[in-house]
Amino acid sequence: DAGVIQSPRHEVTEMGQEVTLRCKPISGHNSLFWYRQTMMRGLELLIYFNNNVPIDDSGMPEDRFSAKMPNASFSTLKIQPSEPRDSAVYFCASGQGNGELFFGEGSRLTVL
Amino acid sequence: GESVGLHLPTLSVQEGDNSIINCAYSNSASDYFIWYKQESGKGPQFIIDIRSNMDKRQGQRVTVLLNKTVKHLSLQIAATQPGDSAVYFCAEHLQAGTALIFGKGTTLSVSS
Repeated sequence: DAGVIQSPRHEVTEMGQEVTLRCKPISGHNSLFWYRQTMMRGLELLIYFNNNVPIDDSGMPEDRFSAKMPNASFSTLKIQPSEPRDSAVYFCASGQGNGELFFGEGSRLTVL
Repeated sequence: GESVGLHLPTLSVQEGDNSIINCAYSNSASDYFIWYKQESGKGPQFIIDIRSNMDKRQGQRVTVLLNKTVKHLSLQIAATQPGDSAVYFCAEHLQAGTALIFGKGTTLSVSS
C-alpha cells in the first residue's frame, strides 16, 4: 500500500530559480497538507486542501509561494523566485478529514 | 523512569527505562490529539491518538494521557529501546476539516 509520495527528495538550486515540489496523496484521502520544517520554526502549516479546494493558505510565507491541486491525486508547491531562507524540508501529508495525517518522506530544499 | 516537565527539547534515558514526554497544547477547543515520531531523514509517523472525551489511551508500550484542565498531553513509553530514539511531536486538531497544529518536538535519546 503506497503512502504519500513526494518528489524530488532532495533539491539544490541557486537563488532566483524556480522550484517545484510534487506530491501524490494516498488514494481515497480527501485532504492534502503542505508543511515546512526548519530547526528554528519546527513544523509549520503552509496550506491545505479539502477535496482539491484550497481552504487555508494563511501559512504561505509570501507571494513567491503558490500551491495547486489540479486533481485528487496530485499537488504541487512552487517557489518563484527561490531565496536562501526558503531552505527547509517540505512535507506533504494527506488525510481523510478525521484529523490523522499521513506524511511523505519530505523534500529537502537547499537554496544557495 | 525519567519525567519531563513542560516541554524540554531533549530527553536522554537508558535502555529499559520508562520515558515520559510532555506537551502543552494551545486551544481548549481542540478535539483530537496525536503523537508523532520522526526519525532522522523521514517524515513524522503516527504513534497514538486520543480524543478530547478521553483522558487516557494505551497502545503497545505507549500510553497517552490528556489533562484538559491544564491543556496538557503526555506520552509514556514503557521499556524504552534504542529504536525509540527520535523526535516526538504532539499535535492538536481544532475541528473537522482543519489542519493539525504541531508543538515543538522533543528529541529522545536512548543509550544502551
